Amino acid sequence: DAMVIQNPRYQVTQFGKPVTLSCSQTLNHNVMYWYQQKSSQAPKLLFHYYDKDFNNEADTPDNFQSRRPNTSFCFLDIRSPGLGDAAMYLCATSERVARPFFGPGTRLTVL
Amino acid sequence: GESVGLHLPTLSVQEGDNSIINCAYSNSASDYFIWYKQESGKGPQFIIDIRSNMDKRQGQRVTVLLNKTVKHLSLQIAATQPGDSAVYFCAEQAGGTSYGKLTFGQGTILTVHP
Repeated sequence: DAMVIQNPRYQVTQFGKPVTLSCSQTLNHNVMYWYQQKSSQAPKLLFHYYDKDFNNEADTPDNFQSRRPNTSFCFLDIRSPGLGDAAMYLCATSERVARPFFGPGTRLTVL
Repeated sequence: GESVGLHLPTLSVQEGDNSIINCAYSNSASDYFIWYKQESGKGPQFIIDIRSNMDKRQGQRVTVLLNKTVKHLSLQIAATQPGDSAVYFCAEQAGGTSYGKLTFGQGTILTVHP
């Protein structure tokens, strides 16, 4: 089945230790998104790629970076995780103006 | 209401009842709206969508109503089942070059009692 896959599903890191979250898709969608969802809150868009064009949201901290080496894969890098970065990180994909299709998420814990 | 907070609105219903979940959106330029269902520990799952040139759209057991005058969206679930228990989010998308970028509402926790 075509789908969005996120690895790992659960990630534990230490305060200040860089961490990378992975997303892959078999849908061949040209847009990929990263959303952050804190406990009991709505998802919040961090950035997205339209093909290779990177688009950062104005209020996304510099601590968050992303890479998209090809159509299928997109990575979220958190350079120096703080306690406030503990959250569910959701990857989503879409065709240009179609609705996003979400992956299962990676829950990040920062110790 | 505000989109940031630790206490989501809740709706508690009995199995078989109809449920209505409401959402106020903020951007009058938004032209596409989606309802997502999110179960604990999972990603949001698409339920139904509606474009701004419509005021009602029906799916299987679900209906979405859009009132652009007051910027209000509602989701109606008929014959609610325990498997419908989840957090429900509305999301809006502005037109133009916004692609699929979504702004989510705060969410509502639906609990269905057998």
